[in-house]
Amino acid sequence: QVVLTQSPSASASLGASVKLTCTLSSGHSSYAIAWHQQQPEKGPRYLMKLNSDGSHSRGDGIPDRFSGSRSGAERYLTISSLQSEDEADYYCQTWGTGIRVFGGGTKLTVL
Amino acid sequence: EVQLVESGGGLVQPGGSLRLSCAASGFTFSSYWMSWVRRAPGKGLEWVASIKQDGSEKNYVDSVKGRFSISRDNAKNSLYLQMNSLRAEDTAVYYCARDQGGVLVPAQWGQGTLVTVSS
Repeated sequence: QVVLTQSPSASASLGASVKLTCTLSSGHSSYAIAWHQQQPEKGPRYLMKLNSDGSHSRGDGIPDRFSGSRSGAERYLTISSLQSEDEADYYCQTWGTGIRVFGGGTKLTVL
Repeated sequence: EVQLVESGGGLVQPGGSLRLSCAASGFTFSSYWMSWVRRAPGKGLEWVASIKQDGSEKNYVDSVKGRFSISRDNAKNSLYLQMNSLRAEDTAVYYCARDQGGVLVPAQWGQGTLVTVSS
């Protein structure tokens, strides 16, 4: 079964950019994924789907400060012009036959 | 506007049962896969269960198989999660989610309902 690995934490300064990484397990490097954000005390929010060819499609209302890319088995979420409200937990997610799988999440701190 | 509103959470003793509900509005409920996802205290998101548009296919994470049952009522635009034989490790906020059309990605989320399993 596919496993998604994320670093537990990341930090970056207000106004800067940050790149979060999600790594697909061996044998699953061609999988598409999605990125979700969860701000403190809120429900999750869908950010985008990142296709296996590296193209991505953002969810409704998601600003273009959020972008996705890939390299091999790694999938990235880049957030530019960081704002205080970007401080949140970020999850990558993929899917198989009927199942969904989440990565462990990355807690992003905006300094 | 898409809205998903969960209810039914609460405090329950180990071994007990609870039924969660999710009221959906703002979209054609019967056209989408629906899911339950949870977040335990101090942990990350965990997919729990999903159900196909017509209820003909249901999938569960291994840890809840045989204990939890997902169902839906398309006439009432409602999703349910029947949770039996509850354990302390089932303590979490449970979120209702609507999948993106044609892809097994939760694209709309509710605000969640807290389930606490404790004696």
